[in-house]
Amino acid sequence: GQNIDQPTEMTATEGAIVQINCTYQTSGFNGLFWYQQHAGEAPTFLSYNVLDGLEEKGRFSSFLSRSKGYSYLLLKELQMKDSASYLCAPLDSNYQLIWGAGTKLIIKP
Amino acid sequence: GAVVSQHPSWVICKSGTSVKIECRSLDFQATTMFWYRQFPKQSLMLMATSNEGSKATYEQGVEKDKFLINHASLTLSTLTVTSAHPEDSSFYICSARGGGENQPQHFGDGTRLSIL
Repeated sequence: GQNIDQPTEMTATEGAIVQINCTYQTSGFNGLFWYQQHAGEAPTFLSYNVLDGLEEKGRFSSFLSRSKGYSYLLLKELQMKDSASYLCAPLDSNYQLIWGAGTKLIIKP
Repeated sequence: GAVVSQHPSWVICKSGTSVKIECRSLDFQATTMFWYRQFPKQSLMLMATSNEGSKATYEQGVEKDKFLINHASLTLSTLTVTSAHPEDSSFYICSARGGGENQPQHFGDGTRLSIL
């Protein structure tokens, strides 16, 4: 079956760095997306990885290891507005996004 | 770029009413649009996928006669919840994708539907 494993909830301090890990099992693989979703709002696209390695985009970076079925999202210089759920969503062989429940990130002052 | 507009953002209506939700891609052509439903603290649930000019593909367990989807143009898709009942109350979100199948989906702001 298809499966995504992320921590349910994480807490971090404003100004710090946090890494949100994701492991996945899918039927085929065509890349992996990270989305941010604030409570009560729709998801917002953050990043896409299809090759192994690190993709950096401002304060956010995303890493992928296809052989390990593993990705992480790294958030630097955390701000209070970064409090949200972060969704790891791999794309399977049919180009269908597989959604998990995401990781709720709580930022404390 | 890649802006998706969805409205209405909030609907409250009586049981038995039909509700229509619109989803528009404002600055790109959406070859494929998706309709999701999300209950509180749960993951996104894909309801259906639609390509412009063809019938929508519904996920297992989603009643196509209850959730009517029309994707008449490359910038507009509509979801009609027919004869809505309280159990249909949920957060409905559309997304649109342009270009290839590995392009990101861009989401509308969602519609919060409450059926009394």
